[in-house]
Amino acid sequence: EVQLVESGGVVVQPGGSLRLSCAASGFIFDDYAMHWVRQVPGKGLEWVSLISSDGGSTYYVDSVKGRFTISRDNSKNSLYLQMNSLRAEDTALYYCAKAATVLGGYLEYWGQGTLVTVSS
Amino acid sequence: EIVMTQSPATLSVSPGERATLSCRASQSVSSNLAWYQQKPGQAPRLLIYGASTRATGIPARFSGSGSGTEFTLTITSLRSEDFAVYYCQQYNKWPPNTFGGGTKVEIK
Repeated sequence: EVQLVESGGVVVQPGGSLRLSCAASGFIFDDYAMHWVRQVPGKGLEWVSLISSDGGSTYYVDSVKGRFTISRDNSKNSLYLQMNSLRAEDTALYYCAKAATVLGGYLEYWGQGTLVTVSS
Repeated sequence: EIVMTQSPATLSVSPGERATLSCRASQSVSSNLAWYQQKPGQAPRLLIYGASTRATGIPARFSGSGSGTEFTLTITSLRSEDFAVYYCQQYNKWPPNTFGGGTKVEIK
């Protein structure tokens, strides 16, 4: 059974930093790309970032480029999102998701999310 | 960036009836279109990929169709557990992997 468990969401002040983690199990982690998607409570889904299976390719939505960094540790079956220079508009529930292929594609399985609140 | 537009925003349907949800892309996404279901307090769940292929464990009452810029998700004989928000997402040209704004299927 595929399991994705996010952690690291907290309340942080504007301008602050945070690292989210996603622990994966139930599949061969280094065979698949991974996504981060966020959702403001009560609103729609926004794709945030994607990393290829080997970590060699990364992609971001424009609104987080230069502030967020996606990474992975295949030896630990873990995905990360380093979030810097946080803004109020980054407040959301952050999901990690398993991609369908080594490079990306649709989001096959999702975690339950971790809540990031940016507020003073 | 490819913009995904879903309609209607809310669909009121009686249990046992059919629901038809639409998703339009601002440019062709071929068949690289997925549908997700999200219930309150839960993470989204993959329903359909490749525009028409049901994901593992998804009942046959869910079907997807379309290609290019126009797509449809049909739910026949709605059950209580099908009342939820449905999102389409294109994965043909990225970044970004864009989602539609969602359609809420509510009980009439």
